[in-house]
Amino acid sequence: RKEVEQDPGPFNVPEGATVAFNCTYSNSASQSFFWYRQDCRKEPKLLMSVYSSGNEDGRFTAQLNRASQYISLLIRDSKLSDSATYLCVVNGGSSNTGKLIFGQGTTLQVKP
Amino acid sequence: DTEVTQTPKHLVMGMTNKKSLKCEQHMGHRAMYWYKQKAKKPPELMFVYSYEKLSINESVPSRFSPECPNSSLLNLHLHALQPEDSALYLCASSQESLSNSPLHFGNGTRLTVT
Repeated sequence: RKEVEQDPGPFNVPEGATVAFNCTYSNSASQSFFWYRQDCRKEPKLLMSVYSSGNEDGRFTAQLNRASQYISLLIRDSKLSDSATYLCVVNGGSSNTGKLIFGQGTTLQVKP
Repeated sequence: DTEVTQTPKHLVMGMTNKKSLKCEQHMGHRAMYWYKQKAKKPPELMFVYSYEKLSINESVPSRFSPECPNSSLLNLHLHALQPEDSALYLCASSQESLSNSPLHFGNGTRLTVT
């Protein structure tokens, strides 16, 4: 089993749709979780950190489910500009090794 | 705008060349990283520097040689690379090399080895 798994997609949705991505992780000791966005041929950019209680930033909502070991990203009212690859990033465990583990990424295409 | 700057943006080099990639951050971050990314793959960790000392080397071949001259600068020296080393090389920094700190990436250097 991969340490961090994501459905690669692509997810093709119309503008205005709501779309959700899940990401599962294997290490129950993981403490830190992030969603990054990466546009084609660009660097990954931090979208949001994921907190235990869940958190929202505008149209984006992140949730953490420790019992089932997954995090999710919900995008409401999708825009064309949301088209990108979304990377789930999880720390490798409770020790401070500086190693963050990336999922393979989920590709989102928002169509007009 | 990115707060981590990398130069050059593009680099083409032959297998016998020696070149260096440069990275700079002025956010006061104490950890800096080199990642390699191939097309349609996630970034792959190469090196981690914490407080200017190398703390992680992910079994990277010696043709890649990192250097951290000070807390703001990180270099990656390249020598005798292979065509399969062609990739996007990303520098990143974080507040500490604690894995609860998010990474801030530079724009990357797109490297082609001929």
